[in-house]
Amino acid sequence: GAGVSQSPRYKVAKRGQDVALRCDPISGHVSLFWYQQALGQGPEFLTYFQNEAQLDKSGLPSDRFFAERPEGSVSTLKIQRTQQEDSAVYLCASSFGNGNNEQFFGPGTRLTVL
Amino acid sequence: KQEVTQIPAALSVPEGENLVLNCSFTDSAIYNLQWFRQDPGKGLTSLLLIQSSQREQTSGRLNASLDKSSGRSTLYIAASQPGDSATYLCAVSGPSGTYKYIFGTGTRLKVLA
Repeated sequence: GAGVSQSPRYKVAKRGQDVALRCDPISGHVSLFWYQQALGQGPEFLTYFQNEAQLDKSGLPSDRFFAERPEGSVSTLKIQRTQQEDSAVYLCASSFGNGNNEQFFGPGTRLTVL
Repeated sequence: KQEVTQIPAALSVPEGENLVLNCSFTDSAIYNLQWFRQDPGKGLTSLLLIQSSQREQTSGRLNASLDKSSGRSTLYIAASQPGDSATYLCAVSGPSGTYKYIFGTGTRLKVLA
């Protein structure tokens, strides 16, 4: 596809369940970012990959959050033992090169934890 | 720690007006500043990217300026249309580390027909 895609678009989880969110970046984009957007707020940085290397995970809120990009393309954000405060939209972005370029965002996954 | 502020938080204007959205940031040592549009329930659509060495960028009815020394950017929208109604977000990368973006909380714009 031409843009960044994310799946699922919507996810409802019961508190305590594990979830996995997928991001397909634009083909050839080296850099991949995950952001979390709470209702009415701007997105907040979670983690950054350059190819398969996770160079910055300073924004992950707890050790329940884990991200991977094993082959340098598709990325998965996993949240273990979900809590209600994890409810948010999770946005993925990719950019060409080392990250100092325009970031292109996917449509997001809206996670609701009941 | 970089902080980004957007003023006003919400704006309602009649169709046809020219308008200015403001973005300020606390640390001027940025790499890039990017303006986005977000429609309800949707992802972010990139509008304009200004690199740190640039002063402004233009696309159609949109013009974004950057004054690094004062920590400010403005997004100018000419001849506003109802289809411009959305939330507008600015984001900066830098001053250090990876190229993650720090976002403002956005300006919710409503253009009345």
